[in-house]
Amino acid sequence: GQNIDQPTEMTATEGAIVQINCTYQTSGFNGLFWYQQHAGEAPTFLSYNVLDGLEEKGRFSSFLSRSKGYSYLLLKELQMKDSASYLCAVRDSNYQLIWGAGTKLIIKP
Amino acid sequence: DTAVSQTPKYLVTQMGNDKSIKCEQNLGHDTMYWYKQDSKKFLKIMFSYNNKELIINETVPNRFSPKSPDKAHLNLHINSLELGDSAVYFCASSQFDEQYFGPGTRLTVT
Repeated sequence: GQNIDQPTEMTATEGAIVQINCTYQTSGFNGLFWYQQHAGEAPTFLSYNVLDGLEEKGRFSSFLSRSKGYSYLLLKELQMKDSASYLCAVRDSNYQLIWGAGTKLIIKP
Repeated sequence: DTAVSQTPKYLVTQMGNDKSIKCEQNLGHDTMYWYKQDSKKFLKIMFSYNNKELIINETVPNRFSPKSPDKAHLNLHINSLELGDSAVYFCASSQFDEQYFGPGTRLTVT
């Protein structure tokens, strides 16, 4: 079966760095996505990786290793507004998006 | 300008009723989706439409039926509502990679 694993919850301190991991087992691979979802709101797109390596976008970076079925989202200089759920999703060989359950990130002052 | 809009934002109804949720996108995207997010926050794809043709139909009950009058609209009709249908329903659209989500419709079945 297809599976996306990410931690349920993480806690970090304002101003610090946090890494949210995602491992996947899917039938084929056509890209990995990270979305941010604040409580009571819709998911919003953060990043897309289809080749191995690091993609940097401001305070957020996303890494992919296809051979290991592994990705992480790195958040730097954490701000209180970064408190949200972070969803990892993989597009499989049928171009269907398989979603993880999300990681709830709690930022403490 | 709202990219993906849904109505209503909140819907409270009784078991056995029939209801519809509307979705519109003004992005010119070819593909639209319906997702269900339950209390555990897990997003589950229900349907997607590409150029008015259903291309994904997950194992959802046939009480749920998507209807797309044109490329910019994908409505969700639900018959004989059940308690387990209570959830947040998100509409989304995409052209290639990134999906744009609507604000969600919180459905409560009593």
